[in-house]
Amino acid sequence: GGIITQTPKFLIGQEGQKLTLKCQQNFNHDTMYWYRQDSGKGLRLIYYSITENDLQKGDLSEGYDASREKKSSFSLTVTSAQKNEMAVFLCASSIHYAEQFFGPGTRLTVL
Amino acid sequence: GEQVEQRPPHLSVREGDSAFIICTYTDSATAYFYWYKQEPGAGLQLLMSVFSNVDRKEEQGLTVLLNKKDKRLSLNLTAAHPGDSAVYFCAVRTGANTGKLTFGHGTILRVHP
Repeated sequence: GGIITQTPKFLIGQEGQKLTLKCQQNFNHDTMYWYRQDSGKGLRLIYYSITENDLQKGDLSEGYDASREKKSSFSLTVTSAQKNEMAVFLCASSIHYAEQFFGPGTRLTVL
Repeated sequence: GEQVEQRPPHLSVREGDSAFIICTYTDSATAYFYWYKQEPGAGLQLLMSVFSNVDRKEEQGLTVLLNKKDKRLSLNLTAAHPGDSAVYFCAVRTGANTGKLTFGHGTILRVHP
């Protein structure tokens, strides 16, 4: 088995601030994903990466940057936090495009 | 692009009863189907995955039905218990060459004693 770790668990930011979320997996999966979850809605794909240094835009990439530093880690940057924004950011990984396994999430609140 | 509708948004059942959740999708080329469970404060846990050549799959008290003609996917939890209380999401993937999942909006299931 393996595990996906997301840090931090809770993130509080100020309007306009640049915020970085990190994800690590030890499944040795090649593909990693970042999703945004808003209350009462499904998940929306922000970015994904099929290998180290690769980056593919999802449906919600505007306002975000991502970086796949190495196979096991994938980070997401909110380039300018929006006031009163509240969401959960979920990281996932998979072998190629097979079943995706999710981390516990980072809960973002912007004051 | 693909769109997925999931209902009901809220579902309350008694312990021992069945809980039925349904999703409809729009793209007839969609080939991969998933059900996830999310407990409070946690990520998504994969419950079952189904490929388009399967009409029915049963595992550990869960039954997934796939009706490709009607583009409908369902999940039935038989004999639900309080530990099944969570949010359930369906997700679909159109083809083998994309990792993009399209999710339903989720069903909040409450199983009460």
